[in-house]
Amino acid sequence: GEQVEQRPPHLSVREGDSAVITCTYTDPNSYYFFWYKQEPGASLQLLMKVFSSTEINEGQGFTVLLNKKDKRLSLNLTAAHPGDSAAYFCAVSGSNNRIFFGDGTQLVVKP
Amino acid sequence: GALVYQYPRRTICKSGTSMRMECQAVGFQATSVAWYRQSPQKTFELIALSTVNSAIKYEQNFTQEKFPISHPNLSFSSMTVLNAYLEDRGLYLCGAREGGYEQYFGPGTRLTVL
Repeated sequence: GEQVEQRPPHLSVREGDSAVITCTYTDPNSYYFFWYKQEPGASLQLLMKVFSSTEINEGQGFTVLLNKKDKRLSLNLTAAHPGDSAAYFCAVSGSNNRIFFGDGTQLVVKP
Repeated sequence: GALVYQYPRRTICKSGTSMRMECQAVGFQATSVAWYRQSPQKTFELIALSTVNSAIKYEQNFTQEKFPISHPNLSFSSMTVLNAYLEDRGLYLCGAREGGYEQYFGPGTRLTVL
């Protein structure tokens, strides 16, 4: 089955710095990708969904890159602020409709 | 818009007892419902995927005997954690979709086992 590896598990940056989180996956038939944010004690908040036909998606304060050749998905927070401190999860879905999550990255943004 | 509700939001049960949680889809038809568990400090594990008119498919390490699921119509699903023990504690998420690939997640049911 699909294996999703997410790095790094912990990330600490200063306010205004960029923060990059990367996921790699194994199933070449995967074609729908997600990034979620989870604040302490809360559920998942969808940040971005990406189809395999697009390579770059921009949101508010972040960019998602998809490299299908390398089976790599990344989330780049361009200028992090303390409100971005949370756990971030990538998720990958394929033709079998099952979604697999990465192990998560705990991001801390220091003022 | 599409919304997914889960009940209860938080629950506590004694070790060895069972706990039923519910998932309600509003604004769309939940043709498939997936249940996930997030154990403390861990990621979300897929427990099972239920698709209307198909058998419920459980992932490795999860069984129908331990996590029976009901998906009687296009707006509702429930899952029971039978004989809950400490390792069953965590956040249980319901994700529902209507045919397409976007899955709408509920807020989760947080289970504490004493």
